[in-house]
Amino acid sequence: DGGITQSPKYLFRKEGQNVTLSCEQNLNHDAMYWYRQDPGQGLRLIYYSQIVNDFQKGDIAEGYSVSREKKESFPLTVTSAQKNPTAFYLCASSIGPTSGDPQETQYFGPGTRLLVL
Amino acid sequence: GENVEQHPSTLSVQEGDSAVIKCTYSDSASNYFPWYKQELGKRPQLIIDIRSNVGEKKDQRIAVTLNKTAKHFSLHITETQPEDSAVYFCAAQINAGGTSYGKLTFGQGTILTVHP
Repeated sequence: DGGITQSPKYLFRKEGQNVTLSCEQNLNHDAMYWYRQDPGQGLRLIYYSQIVNDFQKGDIAEGYSVSREKKESFPLTVTSAQKNPTAFYLCASSIGPTSGDPQETQYFGPGTRLLVL
Repeated sequence: GENVEQHPSTLSVQEGDSAVIKCTYSDSASNYFPWYKQELGKRPQLIIDIRSNVGEKKDQRIAVTLNKTAKHFSLHITETQPEDSAVYFCAAQINAGGTSYGKLTFGQGTILTVHP
């Protein structure tokens, strides 16, 4: 899991502002995921991507957007439409469909804590 | 979609005791069940997983059991140590292939505290 990095560690957002969280991996994984973690709740899936130039909405995609232009990178933008963005955001990756086995370990990055000013 | 319920939300034990965390899932098509441990301020890390064709799996002090009929699975930690203190998450995955590939649904988490 040391091969996944997220930046910044802390991010502050002003009202009406879009902010972008970075996620990079050097594990040669095809699949990448974004989760949101709130106190007392489990991880909830925002978006996921199984391969470059393709991604799907997760369970709580509203107010978020992603891109997957490179295999190594899966940035998440928290838009002004997300009214309650304060949370801990975790990026993860796994080998992906080329492994032929969907039951594969997801490796997590260290997370970004987003706070609203 | 899949729904995973996890209990208890908090669990406090004395060092050396056993700890058991239980999860139930709603979709009988789920066939992969990982458990993650998250220490305070750290990233979640996989500690053990089980597939639906297996009823039990052990790894040293950690074991997971699966009851497909009842749609529940449990994490068992024996001889607990203070370093076991963390938040534990269960998850379930439906092997639907296609665009659902790799999609995990997590439980709400259990805060385990092991007192010396």
